[in-house]
Amino acid sequence: DTGVSQDPRHKITKRGQNVTFRCDPISEHNRLYWYRQTLGQGPEFLTYFQNEAQLEKSRLLSDRFSAERPKGSFSTLEIQRTEQGDSAMYLCASSLVAGQPQHFGDGTRLSIL
Amino acid sequence: AQSVTQLGSHVSVSEGALVLLRCNYSSSVPPYLFWYVQYPNQGLQLLLKYTSAATLVKGINGFEAEFKKSETSFHLTKPSAHMSDAAEYFCAVSDRSTGNQFYFGTGTSLTVIP
Repeated sequence: DTGVSQDPRHKITKRGQNVTFRCDPISEHNRLYWYRQTLGQGPEFLTYFQNEAQLEKSRLLSDRFSAERPKGSFSTLEIQRTEQGDSAMYLCASSLVAGQPQHFGDGTRLSIL
Repeated sequence: AQSVTQLGSHVSVSEGALVLLRCNYSSSVPPYLFWYVQYPNQGLQLLLKYTSAATLVKGINGFEAEFKKSETSFHLTKPSAHMSDAAEYFCAVSDRSTGNQFYFGTGTSLTVIP
């Protein structure tokens, strides 16, 4: 169990640019989740994969956001045409079955200039 | 949808004193309940979970939580605070019917005074 890893840890970009984050879940976990956390708040759900299928998407996930998990292993989260309001910590989590604890990575902190 | 309320965004205790962090959930059907801790610039680490067994749940680092259905609460306690306990604490719930997304409270920042 090497834990959930996320890359990069920090990303600074100019408004309007596209960014992509990667998440590698715990290897035997087939469920993968993305959350967004802004300063002083708890994480907010963005989307959920079971294997390669994206089964749930939050209303927070605007058209500029897209997530993939092509082979049911790692996942990417892309934000197109970034805006100031996208500045946040993006957290990835994985779990083996529903209702069990989700294991979180250390997150990617996005700063929009 | 589920909602979670954490009363007290900031709690300060003296080293060695009791820690009590409050969490209330909204649903009529008891959900899965979790407490996580977050240190600066890090992800969330699981402290403990309630699924449906004993109502008093013991977790890591001396923390425990008691599920009270009548009060829709899942408060976190630790008998004696340590300096290393200073962190942000989040209560989370998930529906028993789906168990997919977690709903988090807004967090409680714990300060431990030496």
